[in-house]
Parts: sequence; C-alpha cells; structure tokens
Amino acid sequence: SQKIEQNSEALNIQEGKTATLTCNYTNYSPAYLQWYRQDPGRGPVFLLLIRENEKEKRKERLKVTFDTTLKQSLFHITASQPADSATYLCALDTLNDYKLSFGAGTTVTVRA
Amino acid sequence: DTGVSQNPRHKITKRGQNVTFRCDPISEHNRLYWYRQTLGQGPEFLTYFQNEAQLEKSRLLSDRFSAERPKGSFSTLEIQRTEQGDSAMYLCASSRPGTNNSPLHFGNGTRLTVT
Repeated sequence: SQKIEQNSEALNIQEGKTATLTCNYTNYSPAYLQWYRQDPGRGPVFLLLIRENEKEKRKERLKVTFDTTLKQSLFHITASQPADSATYLCALDTLNDYKLSFGAGTTVTVRA
Repeated sequence: DTGVSQNPRHKITKRGQNVTFRCDPISEHNRLYWYRQTLGQGPEFLTYFQNEAQLEKSRLLSDRFSAERPKGSFSTLEIQRTEQGDSAMYLCASSRPGTNNSPLHFGNGTRLTVT
C-alpha cells in the first residue's frame, strides 16, 4: 500500500541550530514533492516545490533535497528561529497530478 | 490575492443533523479541492473541481457527503446525517489554471464537532 512517513517524533531544537525533517514514501512515483507549513488552527501554507529531476532547492533559510532512489526528501531549516515553530507537511502527487497526498507532518519547536 | 475564505470557522452540531460549509477560492483559480484533517494527521483528499465540474471524489467519501461548485466560483460541502466520526477540520484549497504541480492555497478551514 502507499505510505508517506515523516519523523514520528516532534523536533525540539535550540534557536540558531538546523532542523532536519525527513519524508519517506513507499509505492509512489512522484513527479514532484511539496512542503507546507501549518500553524495551529490554520490551513497549510506552501513553502517549496521540488521536481523529480532536481536534487536540491533553496529558499532563504530553507533547503529541500529529493532522492528518488532512496524515495526520500529532506527538509532543512537553517539558523532556526522561534517563529519557525510549526508543523511541516510533505505532499506528493499521485497518478493524477491535481491531487496531493500528505504525510502526517512533523512538529518543530524552536527554543529561544 | 485575498486568499481562500471558508465559513463558518467552527460548527458544533448534534449527531444526525445536516451541515453545510462554504468555500470562496482565490478568484482567478479554476481548481478547487476539499480535504479533511483530523488531529495529528495530514490533510486527506475528499474531492476536486475544475471550474464547475467535479472531476474526482474520494472513495473515503460516503454518499452522505456532497459538494457543489455552481458556476465555477464558490463551493459548498454538505454532510447529511452527521456522525461523530465526521468531526474534523474541513479544508478548502484552490490552485491556478494551466500548470501542473501548482501549489495549493488553503483556507483556514471549518472545524466541525459532532456531539
């Protein structure tokens, strides 16, 4: 069956450190992968998209890698700040490119 | 870009009652999606519209659920004879026409509690 697995444990890190989140998938062949941020009581907000032929993508303090051999994406927040505290979701396309499947998310807490 | 708007933000209802939620997408977006999210889980796809046409409905969606998008503008999601298992956050999202892989723009959801 298809699965998308993100870090099962919440991540607690010190301000200034790098947070690294994982997204592993099984029985998908995604053409692209997206990362979203979700704050409590709010809808997800799009952060980054990476295509299957791209190894790495950056946006400000965020970096995403995509390894289709390992079936894994890594999401890095560098120089983390308390304002980065949120739940981060990865999402894959399915056979139909308009429909995304989401992982359960990883909650990150950055301590000042 | 005024964002995706959902109403109401919260709905508490008794089991067996019908509820209807509304979503107003970003005006130039022709694609509209409904997702459901429960605590500790990611959003789960329910249904998808391109303009006014409902192109897919998840097998998870029982026939108590119906969605419409008249004239390809706002959308409504109705749940008939609500059950306690329907308690969740119902999220609406829209995306731009023309390109595949367009990011989804989500509203802040309607939180449904069925007592």
